[in-house]
Amino acid sequence: EVQLVESGGGLVQPGGSLRLSCAASGFTVSSNYMSWVRQAPGKGLEWVSVIYSGGSTYYADSVKGRFTISRDNSKNTLYLQMNSLRAEDTAVYYCARDLMAHDAFDIWGQGTMVTVSS
Amino acid sequence: SSELTQDPAVSVALGQTVRITCQGDSLRSYYASWYQQKPGQAPVLVIYGKNNRPSGIPDRFSGSSSGNTASLTITGAQAEDEADYYCNSRDSSGNHLRVFGGGTKLTVL
Repeated sequence: EVQLVESGGGLVQPGGSLRLSCAASGFTVSSNYMSWVRQAPGKGLEWVSVIYSGGSTYYADSVKGRFTISRDNSKNTLYLQMNSLRAEDTAVYYCARDLMAHDAFDIWGQGTMVTVSS
Repeated sequence: SSELTQDPAVSVALGQTVRITCQGDSLRSYYASWYQQKPGQAPVLVIYGKNNRPSGIPDRFSGSSSGNTASLTITGAQAEDEADYYCNSRDSSGNHLRVFGGGTKLTVL
Protein backbone atom coordinates (compact mmCIF):
# COMPACT_ATOMS: atom_id res chain seq x y z
CA GLU A 1 0.00 0.00 0.00
CA VAL A 2 1.25 3.44 -0.91
CA GLN A 3 1.26 5.67 2.13
CA LEU A 4 3.04 8.41 4.04
CA VAL A 5 3.26 8.63 7.83
CA GLU A 6 4.47 11.81 9.52
CA SER A 7 5.88 12.07 13.02
CA GLY A 8 7.87 14.44 15.17
CA GLY A 9 5.35 17.16 15.87
CA GLY A 10 4.83 18.65 19.31
CA LEU A 11 5.04 21.74 21.47
CA VAL A 12 8.15 23.90 21.14
CA GLN A 13 9.08 27.32 22.46
CA PRO A 14 9.62 30.28 20.12
CA GLY A 15 13.15 30.20 18.78
CA GLY A 16 13.36 26.45 19.21
CA SER A 17 13.89 23.63 16.73
CA LEU A 18 12.02 20.53 15.67
CA ARG A 19 12.56 17.83 13.06
CA LEU A 20 9.62 16.24 11.31
CA SER A 21 9.82 12.84 9.65
CA CYS A 22 7.72 11.34 6.89
CA ALA A 23 8.10 7.60 6.35
CA ALA A 24 7.03 6.32 2.96
CA SER A 25 5.88 2.86 1.98
CA GLY A 26 4.88 1.43 -1.37
CA PHE A 27 7.12 3.75 -3.37
CA THR A 28 10.64 5.20 -3.29
CA VAL A 29 11.07 8.71 -1.89
CA SER A 30 14.31 9.37 -3.75
CA SER A 31 12.68 8.66 -7.14
CA ASN A 32 9.96 11.24 -6.59
CA TYR A 33 9.49 14.90 -5.89
CA MET A 34 8.36 15.30 -2.28
CA SER A 35 6.82 18.36 -0.63
CA TRP A 36 5.82 19.64 2.77
CA VAL A 37 2.55 21.54 3.10
CA ARG A 38 1.20 23.12 6.28
CA GLN A 39 -2.14 24.34 7.55
CA ALA A 40 -2.49 26.73 10.44
CA PRO A 41 -5.52 26.15 12.69
CA GLY A 42 -8.67 27.22 10.86
CA LYS A 43 -6.68 28.45 7.86
CA GLY A 44 -5.92 27.28 4.34
CA LEU A 45 -3.12 25.18 2.91
CA GLU A 46 0.36 26.68 2.53
CA TRP A 47 3.10 25.04 0.48
CA VAL A 48 6.37 24.97 2.43
CA SER A 49 9.13 23.15 0.53
CA VAL A 50 9.98 20.61 -2.16
CA ILE A 51 12.89 18.28 -2.80
CA TYR A 52 13.34 16.98 -6.31
CA SER A 53 14.50 13.50 -7.18
CA GLY A 54 17.82 15.00 -8.23
CA GLY A 55 18.23 16.58 -4.81
CA SER A 56 17.45 20.22 -5.57
CA THR A 57 15.46 21.95 -2.85
CA TYR A 58 13.15 24.98 -2.82
CA TYR A 59 11.36 26.87 -0.07
CA ALA A 60 8.51 29.27 0.47
CA ASP A 61 9.74 32.74 1.36
CA SER A 62 8.11 32.41 4.79
CA VAL A 63 10.48 29.59 5.82
CA LYS A 64 13.56 30.14 3.66
CA GLY A 65 16.71 30.19 5.75
CA ARG A 66 14.99 28.58 8.74
CA PHE A 67 13.69 25.24 7.41
CA THR A 68 15.63 22.50 5.63
CA ILE A 69 14.10 19.65 3.64
CA SER A 70 16.09 16.44 3.25
CA ARG A 71 15.69 12.71 2.80
CA ASP A 72 17.35 9.49 3.90
CA ASN A 73 17.27 7.07 1.00
CA SER A 74 18.20 4.08 3.17
CA LYS A 75 15.19 4.73 5.40
CA ASN A 76 12.90 5.88 2.57
CA THR A 77 12.07 8.87 4.74
CA LEU A 78 11.60 12.59 4.15
CA TYR A 79 12.52 15.17 6.78
CA LEU A 80 11.85 18.81 7.59
CA GLN A 81 14.30 20.44 9.98
CA MET A 82 12.67 23.54 11.45
CA ASN A 83 14.83 26.10 13.26
CA SER A 84 14.14 29.53 14.74
CA LEU A 85 10.48 28.62 15.09
CA ARG A 86 7.88 31.35 15.42
CA ALA A 87 4.30 31.39 16.65
CA GLU A 88 3.14 31.72 13.05
CA ASP A 89 4.73 28.34 12.23
CA THR A 90 2.04 26.68 14.35
CA ALA A 91 0.23 24.33 11.99
CA VAL A 92 -0.49 20.79 10.92
CA TYR A 93 2.38 19.73 8.67
CA TYR A 94 1.68 17.32 5.85
CA CYS A 95 4.15 15.57 3.60
CA ALA A 96 3.00 14.81 0.08
CA ARG A 97 4.25 13.06 -3.03
CA ASP A 98 4.53 15.44 -5.94
CA LEU A 99 3.62 14.09 -9.40
CA MET A 100 6.66 15.24 -11.28
CA ALA A 101 5.07 15.92 -14.64
CA HIS A 102 1.88 17.47 -13.31
CA ASP A 103 2.73 19.64 -10.30
CA ALA A 104 0.12 17.81 -8.26
CA PHE A 105 0.25 16.18 -4.85
CA ASP A 106 -1.27 12.73 -5.22
CA ILE A 107 -0.37 11.07 -1.91
CA TRP A 108 -0.66 12.83 1.47
CA GLY A 109 0.22 11.82 4.98
CA GLN A 110 -2.18 12.25 7.88
CA GLY A 111 -0.31 15.27 9.20
CA THR A 112 1.57 16.09 12.40
CA MET A 113 0.78 19.08 14.62
CA VAL A 114 3.45 21.61 15.51
CA THR A 115 2.66 24.17 18.19
CA VAL A 116 5.06 27.03 18.83
CA SER A 117 4.25 28.66 22.15
CA SER A 118 5.85 29.70 25.40
CA SER B 1 -1.69 37.02 0.49
CA SER B 2 -2.21 34.21 -2.00
CA GLU B 3 -1.23 34.53 -5.65
CA LEU B 4 -4.18 32.31 -6.50
CA THR B 5 -7.59 33.77 -5.72
CA GLN B 6 -10.68 31.71 -4.86
CA ASP B 7 -14.14 32.69 -3.70
CA PRO B 8 -14.33 31.97 0.04
CA ALA B 9 -17.69 30.20 -0.13
CA VAL B 10 -20.01 28.70 -2.70
CA SER B 11 -23.27 26.81 -2.30
CA VAL B 12 -25.12 24.39 -4.57
CA ALA B 13 -28.43 22.57 -4.39
CA LEU B 14 -28.23 18.80 -4.16
CA GLY B 15 -27.91 17.30 -7.64
CA GLN B 16 -27.12 20.59 -9.34
CA THR B 17 -23.90 21.72 -11.00
CA VAL B 18 -21.39 24.02 -9.36
CA ARG B 19 -18.20 25.66 -10.63
CA ILE B 20 -15.39 26.68 -8.29
CA THR B 21 -12.86 29.07 -9.79
CA CYS B 22 -9.22 29.93 -9.18
CA GLN B 23 -7.56 33.03 -10.66
CA GLY B 24 -3.89 33.85 -10.99
CA ASP B 25 -1.26 34.98 -13.47
CA SER B 26 0.60 31.67 -13.26
CA LEU B 27 -2.45 29.86 -14.62
CA ARG B 28 -1.73 31.35 -18.03
CA SER B 29 1.33 29.07 -18.13
CA TYR B 30 0.66 26.20 -15.73
CA TYR B 31 -2.25 23.91 -15.00
CA ALA B 32 -3.92 23.98 -11.61
CA SER B 33 -4.47 20.95 -9.45
CA TRP B 34 -7.49 20.71 -7.16
CA TYR B 35 -7.85 19.26 -3.67
CA GLN B 36 -10.84 18.36 -1.55
CA GLN B 37 -10.47 18.57 2.22
CA LYS B 38 -13.06 17.51 4.77
CA PRO B 39 -12.84 18.50 8.44
CA GLY B 40 -10.06 16.75 10.31
CA GLN B 41 -8.78 15.01 7.20
CA ALA B 42 -5.82 15.37 4.89
CA PRO B 43 -6.46 16.89 1.47
CA VAL B 44 -7.30 14.60 -1.44
CA LEU B 45 -6.30 15.25 -5.04
CA VAL B 46 -9.38 15.37 -7.27
CA ILE B 47 -8.17 16.96 -10.53
CA TYR B 48 -4.74 17.56 -12.07
CA GLY B 49 -3.27 18.51 -15.41
CA LYS B 50 -5.56 19.43 -18.28
CA ASN B 51 -8.48 17.41 -16.80
CA ASN B 52 -7.24 14.24 -15.11
CA ARG B 53 -8.91 12.42 -12.25
CA PRO B 54 -6.95 10.10 -9.94
CA SER B 55 -8.29 6.61 -9.50
CA GLY B 56 -11.32 6.58 -7.25
CA ILE B 57 -12.45 10.14 -7.93
CA PRO B 58 -16.01 10.20 -9.33
CA ASP B 59 -16.44 11.41 -12.90
CA ARG B 60 -18.77 14.18 -11.72
CA PHE B 61 -15.55 16.10 -10.96
CA SER B 62 -13.95 17.83 -13.95
CA GLY B 63 -11.46 20.60 -14.58
CA SER B 64 -10.95 23.29 -17.18
CA SER B 65 -8.86 26.37 -17.76
CA SER B 66 -9.09 29.60 -19.74
CA GLY B 67 -6.65 32.48 -19.59
CA ASN B 68 -5.79 33.19 -15.98
CA THR B 69 -8.69 31.18 -14.56
CA ALA B 70 -8.91 27.48 -13.68
CA SER B 71 -12.22 25.89 -12.80
CA LEU B 72 -13.36 22.81 -10.94
CA THR B 73 -16.85 21.69 -11.91
CA ILE B 74 -18.99 19.25 -9.96
CA THR B 75 -21.85 17.99 -12.10
CA GLY B 76 -24.65 16.63 -9.95
CA ALA B 77 -23.27 17.59 -6.54
CA GLN B 78 -23.76 15.09 -3.75
CA ALA B 79 -24.00 15.65 -0.01
CA GLU B 80 -20.57 14.07 0.43
CA ASP B 81 -19.02 16.73 -1.81
CA GLU B 82 -19.48 19.34 0.94
CA ALA B 83 -15.90 20.27 1.79
CA ASP B 84 -13.19 22.84 1.34
CA TYR B 85 -11.60 22.94 -2.11
CA TYR B 86 -8.13 24.30 -2.85
CA CYS B 87 -6.37 24.99 -6.11
CA ASN B 88 -2.59 24.78 -6.46
CA SER B 89 -0.10 25.73 -9.13
CA ARG B 90 3.32 27.25 -9.65
CA ASP B 91 3.81 30.77 -8.35
CA SER B 92 3.65 33.65 -10.78
CA SER B 93 7.43 33.90 -11.14
CA GLY B 94 7.42 30.51 -12.83
CA ASN B 95 10.11 29.22 -10.53
CA HIS B 96 9.99 25.99 -8.58
CA LEU B 97 7.76 27.40 -5.87
CA ARG B 98 4.17 26.29 -5.50
CA VAL B 99 1.20 28.22 -4.20
CA PHE B 100 -2.28 27.33 -2.98
CA GLY B 101 -5.41 29.36 -3.37
CA GLY B 102 -7.15 30.53 -0.23
CA GLY B 103 -9.75 27.78 -0.49
CA THR B 104 -13.49 27.64 -1.21
CA LYS B 105 -15.97 26.26 1.28
CA LEU B 106 -18.61 24.33 -0.68
CA THR B 107 -22.00 23.89 0.95
CA VAL B 108 -24.47 21.40 -0.55
CA LEU B 109 -28.01 22.49 0.25
